[in-house]
Amino acid sequence: SQQGEEDPQALSIQEGENATMNCSYKTSINNLQWYRQNSGRGLVHLILIRSNEREKHSGRLRVTLDTSKKSSSLLITASRAADTASYFCATDNNNDMRFGAGTRLTVKP
Amino acid sequence: EPEVTQTPSHQVTQMGQEVILRCVPISNHLYFYWYRQILGQKVEFLVSFYNNEISEKSEIFDDQFSVERPDGSNFTLKIRSTKLEDSAMYFCASSVNRRGYTFGSGTRLTVV
Repeated sequence: SQQGEEDPQALSIQEGENATMNCSYKTSINNLQWYRQNSGRGLVHLILIRSNEREKHSGRLRVTLDTSKKSSSLLITASRAADTASYFCATDNNNDMRFGAGTRLTVKP
Repeated sequence: EPEVTQTPSHQVTQMGQEVILRCVPISNHLYFYWYRQILGQKVEFLVSFYNNEISEKSEIFDDQFSVERPDGSNFTLKIRSTKLEDSAMYFCASSVNRRGYTFGSGTRLTVV
């Protein structure tokens, strides 16, 4: 399986702190995407990083990709209580997108 | 902003009954997908659809499942003879070029 696997499974931080979530995968990819899911709700696309990119920023989000280690990280800076959600990485390798198990992030006010 | 619309938001069905979950993808998108998420677990790929045919399906997508694009705007997932373990959130997604999928809000299916 080439599904991404996130770690940690759960992360709890204080508002204002940074949150880092990691994703590892097994096979070569075209791109890797991060999604957010509020409890029981739909998936929201956050950011896509292509296999030839190493780092990408979007607002308070910073994503890195290391294809040699088959890993990616999502950094959320200056976290807010509203960032509380599950975060999933998803890998795309020419066929279809497969998701990891997600990291449950809790940001305490 | 264009959205993927799924109906109903919640469906309760008796075990053994057939259900049809409906999705309206974004109008200029060409690739369509169904995923499911059992409560508390990860999002699982079910099937992808392009050019009016299934392009890939997972081992979950067995003979009780089928998909259809009946009229050029709707994209449906049919589950024949539902089982208790089919209870999950079902997400439809579409993509214009297979990068950056747009997901719907999901249909929560409860089989009783």
